[in-house]
Amino acid sequence: DIQMTQSPSSLSASIGDRVTFTCQASHDINKYLNWYQQKPGKAPKLVIYEASHLKTGVPSRFSGSGSGTHFTFTIDSLQPEDIAKYYCQQYENLPLTFGGGTKLEIK
Amino acid sequence: QVQLQESGPGLVKPSGTLSLTCSVSTDSISTYYWGWVRQTPGKGLDWIGYIHYSGNTNYNPSLRSRVTISLDTSKKELSLKLTSVTAADTAVYYCAGGFYNTVDYWGQGTLVTVSS
Repeated sequence: DIQMTQSPSSLSASIGDRVTFTCQASHDINKYLNWYQQKPGKAPKLVIYEASHLKTGVPSRFSGSGSGTHFTFTIDSLQPEDIAKYYCQQYENLPLTFGGGTKLEIK
Repeated sequence: QVQLQESGPGLVKPSGTLSLTCSVSTDSISTYYWGWVRQTPGKGLDWIGYIHYSGNTNYNPSLRSRVTISLDTSKKELSLKLTSVTAADTAVYYCAGGFYNTVDYWGQGTLVTVSS
């Protein structure tokens, strides 16, 4: 299985900040990576697919980049509604595997 | 528009069988893959497997010997059976849909506890 490692596991930031966190794959996964947002008590929601493509309806302050084994998720100007846990997921190989998540909190 | 709704027992005895059903509301059942993802506090998100309208299935190798996913297209119902459960199978189980590589649609999730 391809292991996905996210860092940091939690991150505290202020409203309006630019926040960035990363996802590392144990093998080259090209650009076959998705990002999900999960708010407390809710199901995850797809935010970015194929490393950098924003899902329709997702605010443009969200972005993703990277390829190979190193990927980055960025929120420009953090908003209160962005507080959630964010997970990466690879689809280069089955089984699909997820990272452990980065929990975003307000400072 | 796709809506998914899980149902099933919230408590299963150890060594028993976990059985869940998901109602799939969509006119595009043949377009997507349908499957299950579970979430535990300790291990995070865990892909269980999926099935396509064509009957093609893929399971997580870690669960393959114990899991069956089936799709009744006439009833628009997805099912999950997981046998020989232990406490490690305690999790929130999500019904999921999308293309084979991505979960675009999620149910609300249902907590299943394995305990005597």
